[in-house]
Amino acid sequence: DAKTTQPNSMESNEEEPVHLPCNHSTISGTDYIHWYRQLPSQGPEYVIHGLTSNVNNRMASLAIAEDRKSSTLILHRATLRDAAVYYCILRVGNYGQNFVFGPGTRLSVLP
Amino acid sequence: GAGVSQTPSNKVTEKGKYVELRCDPISGHTALYWYRQSLGQGPEFLIYFQGTGAADDSGLPNDRFFAVRPEGSVSTLKIQRTERGDSAVYLCASSSTLQGNNEQFFGPGTRLTVL
Repeated sequence: DAKTTQPNSMESNEEEPVHLPCNHSTISGTDYIHWYRQLPSQGPEYVIHGLTSNVNNRMASLAIAEDRKSSTLILHRATLRDAAVYYCILRVGNYGQNFVFGPGTRLSVLP
Repeated sequence: GAGVSQTPSNKVTEKGKYVELRCDPISGHTALYWYRQSLGQGPEFLIYFQGTGAADDSGLPNDRFFAVRPEGSVSTLKIQRTERGDSAVYLCASSSTLQGNNEQFFGPGTRLTVL
């Protein structure tokens, strides 16, 4: 399975933008890039995903490098509720089944 | 609508005992996944069902672990002869298709403690 690497932890101030990086240098052409986050004492929840183009939704934006070897999850205005562990995951092709989670990035948001 | 539910939320058992963990997926979701999460780690894949059949059980750590989904909806993860190392949060997720870009919806997990 393709691997991702993320910083162990990051800090942000409330209402400031946050850029969470992810490296996936072994990504193949059919791998989708997914981001999930896990709030304390909850199961992971979907944030965003993409293949080649940058993506925006109500929660975040996903910026994908042109060579697809890295991506960045962007939270435009961090709130205290965004404090969570953020996972960057590669899912193989259109029929990828299970996710391979790494340890993720623990985001702390300071008031 | 109702999300993925898991019961019990907490289970404490003694070493050597048998436990069953239940997952109720979102209605209509054909794919169901079990993961295990140890403290400070990301979830680790255990098994994946498509309908009633286990399409991929490569993540089950050994033959003490078994899962069923007899009617293609509710699933039960069964652990025999529990060991202290089985202590973890067991997460269940479901999704509506096999497509790689499809969202997985996770339940809150069952925290298993083996004394």
